[in-house]
Amino acid sequence: DGGITQSPKYLFRKEGQNVTLSCEQNLNHDAMYWYRQDPGQGLRLIYYSQIVNDFQKGDIAEGYSVSREKKESFPLTVTSAQKNPTAFYLCASGTSGSGEQFFGPGTRLTVL
Amino acid sequence: GEDVEQSLFLSVREGDSSVINCTYTDSSSTYLYWYKQEPGAGLQLLTYIFSNMDMKQDQRLTVLLNKKDKHLSLRIADTQTGDSAIYFCADITGGGNKLTFGTGTQLKVEL
Repeated sequence: DGGITQSPKYLFRKEGQNVTLSCEQNLNHDAMYWYRQDPGQGLRLIYYSQIVNDFQKGDIAEGYSVSREKKESFPLTVTSAQKNPTAFYLCASGTSGSGEQFFGPGTRLTVL
Repeated sequence: GEDVEQSLFLSVREGDSSVINCTYTDSSSTYLYWYKQEPGAGLQLLTYIFSNMDMKQDQRLTVLLNKKDKHLSLRIADTQTGDSAIYFCADITGGGNKLTFGTGTQLKVEL
């Protein structure tokens, strides 16, 4: 089955710790995206990548980092510099230049 | 930058029509999209419209676009309880590389 997966579904971390969220797709998509969702604020773009070994900052990149070493994988690290990291994180993939994006099930991160 | 606005809540009775509205600011938008998010899940694409169209119908869904007023709407006919979800409009920006999403409208369908 083709699709996009995220793990884990729920993640708890202590303040001051870095944490990495996984995103994998087997849809052969060039482009991958990370969004943050907070209640009443819609989705905000953190980082995106249109091709392997290249990525761009989105609207709220501060306190986050990414890598794109393989086409299938686009992990997101939430660093201790992110001041308010508790949120629902969504990964998506798609064809570059297309607005049709396929979303993973999301990871809910809670900082204790 | 681009701004996309939606009302936050809509409540309808089962069997009625729902109309979810969206306004956007980028006059160069080429495609506009509607996504649906069920509780605790990711988004799924429902439908989209090209900017040179006024209307697009897809089974129970009708999309209306008023390009002059930069207003987009999604009408769901014969709304069912399974339609309860958050609906996002989005347009493609950044030279076609990024989507800008609205705040989302939570649709509640009551029996």
